[in-house]
Formats: sequence, structure tokens, C-alpha cells
Amino acid sequence: GAVVSQHPSRVICKSGTSVKIECRSLDFQATTMFWYRQFPKKSLMLMATSNEGSKATYEQGVEKDKFLINHASLTLSTLTVTSAHPEDSSFYICSAEGLDRYGYTFGSGTRLTVV
Amino acid sequence: ELKVEQNPLFLSMQEGKNYTIYCNYSTTSDRLYWYRQDPGKSLESLFVLLSNGAVKQEGRLMASLDTKARLSTLHITAAVHDLSATYFCAVAVQGAQKLVFGQGTRLTINP
Repeated sequence: GAVVSQHPSRVICKSGTSVKIECRSLDFQATTMFWYRQFPKKSLMLMATSNEGSKATYEQGVEKDKFLINHASLTLSTLTVTSAHPEDSSFYICSAEGLDRYGYTFGSGTRLTVV
Repeated sequence: ELKVEQNPLFLSMQEGKNYTIYCNYSTTSDRLYWYRQDPGKSLESLFVLLSNGAVKQEGRLMASLDTKARLSTLHITAAVHDLSATYFCAVAVQGAQKLVFGQGTRLTINP
């Protein structure tokens, strides 16, 4: 079945630094990937939709200069949190439209802690 | 704007009992999903419902969809402790690729 690999699973960084999170579709091509953010005990909030070869579409209220998304190939999308602050600490999850039209496959998530 | 509401948000139940989680959504959609999330983990896909009257079952879980009422249910039969998790429904935005998630239902099943 469709597998989405997300790395790293956990990262701790200092305030002011940047962190890159990778999301790879391992056995299928994903023209569209999605990035979500989840606060503890809360739901998933869509941050942006990433389309291969074009600019990401950000949801209202998400700073595109802070959360840089690149989808340079059909199997890789990256989310870079720039100039991270403690309030950026969260669980970030990517997903991709799967092998069939209706399925979405989720990555394992990245827990970001900014200190 | 599509809004998705689940209830209850918290559910504590005994093993062997039956219960239902409800998912209401505010605008027309052609796809509804149910996911399970264990603490500290990502989402596991349970069901995708594509049409009015769709019913899917896997083990002790059964999901149904009523597109006219904009309501989906996730029914748990004879609950066991292993089903303790947070369950999310998600609805596809009509004409777009993205999903809107409900708040999640945290289910705890006690022996």
C-alpha cells in the first residue's frame, strides 16, 4: 500500500534557528501533499497544500514566509520552519493523496520543540 | 465555509458496551473519512465513505454516511480496551482536495 515517510520524527531546536521537515512518498508519486499542525489534545489544522512544481497554497492565517514549503519532485515535499520560536512547537503531520483517488496517506509526524 | 463537528468529544466506556460517535458537517461533500490516532502517533485510516447510505465495517467498528442529513456515525460494538484512542472524522471540501477535520473524540475503554 501507499507509504509516506516523514523525517525527523522528533527535533529540538533553539529559538531563531530553522528546521526542515521532509515528507516522502515511498511507493507512489504524489502530485499533491498537505501539511498539518496539531497542538496537544487538539485537532489537525491544515497549514498548506503543496503541489509539485508550483507554489504552495497556504491557509488563511498561516505565514508563508515563516513556513516555507517546497515540493520539487513527485515524491518529496519539505516544510521549513524559519526563525523558530517556542510558540511554533507542535506536532507537524504531512499527508499525500494515495494510490487511489480517494485515499490520503499520512506521515508519522514530527514533534518540534523550540527552546 | 465547511465546519465539522464531532460529539461527544470525550467518551469513557466499559468493555463490552456499544456506543456511537457522531460527525456533523455544514456543507455538501462527497467524501468523509474516519481516522484513529493513538497518543503521540500519526493518523491511521479507518474508513472512507463516498456515497449516501454507505456503510463500512471493520471488526468492532462500523461507519455510515447520510449525505442528506450531513451526518456520519462511527459505531463501536462490544468495545475492547484496544480501541482506546482518539477518533477523527474529516470531510472533503467540495471541489477541492483538502480535508477539514472534526475536533476528535477521545475514547477511553475501561476494563
